[in-house]
Amino acid sequence: GAGVSQSPSNKVTEKGKDVELRCDPISGHTALYWYRQSLGQGLEFLIYFQGNSAPDKSGLPSDRFSAERTGGSVSTLTIQRTQQEDSAVYLCASSFHRGTAEAFFGQGTRLTVV
Amino acid sequence: AQSVTQLDSQVPVFEEAPVELRCNYSSSVSVYLFWYVQYPNQGLQLLLKYLSGSTLVESINGFEAEFNKSQTSFHLRKPSVHISDTAEYFCAVTLRGGNTPLVFGKGTRLSVIA
Repeated sequence: GAGVSQSPSNKVTEKGKDVELRCDPISGHTALYWYRQSLGQGLEFLIYFQGNSAPDKSGLPSDRFSAERTGGSVSTLTIQRTQQEDSAVYLCASSFHRGTAEAFFGQGTRLTVV
Repeated sequence: AQSVTQLDSQVPVFEEAPVELRCNYSSSVSVYLFWYVQYPNQGLQLLLKYLSGSTLVESINGFEAEFNKSQTSFHLRKPSVHISDTAEYFCAVTLRGGNTPLVFGKGTRLSVIA
């Protein structure tokens, strides 16, 4: 596609429910990142996928968070048993090669847990 | 692990005045450095990057940043700001050639006043 696409753009969910956030990276990009953006907290790294390598999950805040990337393309971030502190904008980015090329960001999914 | 500190969370400045947004990083090995910008209600986009070579890098809209290895800094400057420069600016770092994620600072909100 022309850019990184994320869906949904907005999601309101009740505390305790599970949510799935989707990211379609730019075609051909081997690297895919998930970040969380909260007010005053900047961009918090969550997870990174690079080709067929094992993902770097070092940023996931708890075991309620997980992500997968199917076929080296589309990625889904799942948050189980959502809590109010999970409310944030979740950003996905992709690049050709981590560290040397520009990371292109999607518009994000704004998650509100009520 | 690498980290990024953006010393100012908010910077108000009058139109046509100069501005400097400060960024310091911490890493024991060589790094790549980036500045991203997020305009109101938009996604993040790359402003400029330092990979190697000249320590002074420039963007197309008049911003520049200088990599200073001894001070572990990558401050962003513009000699004369415009209203349209109002945005949030994020500094980011990743390790050169390594399998590490792109780590962001907490951001600096630049507000240009007419």
